[in-house]
Amino acid sequence: DAGVTQSPTHLIKTRGQHVTLRCSPISGHKSVSWYQQVLGQGPQFIFQYYEKEERGRGNFPDRFSARQFPNYSSELNVNALLLGDSALYLCASSLGTPKGNTEAFFGQGTRLTVV
Amino acid sequence: GNSVTQMEGPVTLSEEAFLTINCTYTATGYPSLFWYVQYPGEGLQLLLKATKADDKGSNKGFEATYRKETTSFHLEKGSVQVSDSAVYFCALRGVQGAQKLVFGQGTRLTINP
Repeated sequence: DAGVTQSPTHLIKTRGQHVTLRCSPISGHKSVSWYQQVLGQGPQFIFQYYEKEERGRGNFPDRFSARQFPNYSSELNVNALLLGDSALYLCASSLGTPKGNTEAFFGQGTRLTVV
Repeated sequence: GNSVTQMEGPVTLSEEAFLTINCTYTATGYPSLFWYVQYPGEGLQLLLKATKADDKGSNKGFEATYRKETTSFHLEKGSVQVSDSAVYFCALRGVQGAQKLVFGQGTRLTINP
């Protein structure tokens, strides 16, 4: 079975541009979460979606948005990119329940560089 | 809010040495606790977990015990191998809904032959 797949694997953008990152969860998983991992730090929670609804949001500005599609894949969008947005963006999928207490499986991430 | 503190790295050991990576947490109630490992150029892999006090998680020779009284979840391995070289993250998931994981800053481990 395929694991969590993210695309693209690497991306270079210019300050002020917009970026869209994509994630396909493991088959049968209904929950997707997004994390930002700045170099040398632990991942920081951005969003969680379950059954196409936002179930959690971290402390990130409104420039960050996400959505989940009927097939449970997800997109993370970042507007007006800043140099500080350069990071590894990780997607995690889980079976998901309303209580959220199921194991998360991570993709390999998208490395975003803002220049 | 919830938080996780890991011992600062990097940590460098010789093969077959004993490993301890300290992890303490702050959270209300009884969170679930995890250790994740990240190999170069890869995402995170779950190494082990514990969901209630005094539980011991174990996998691939690694162990960690959920200590409520000391709010700790230290990672140990009796004899490390070169292939254990990676970055290790301690994390918790709070009791109140959502899939949000709170991570420590990570500890880079290098094992020399």
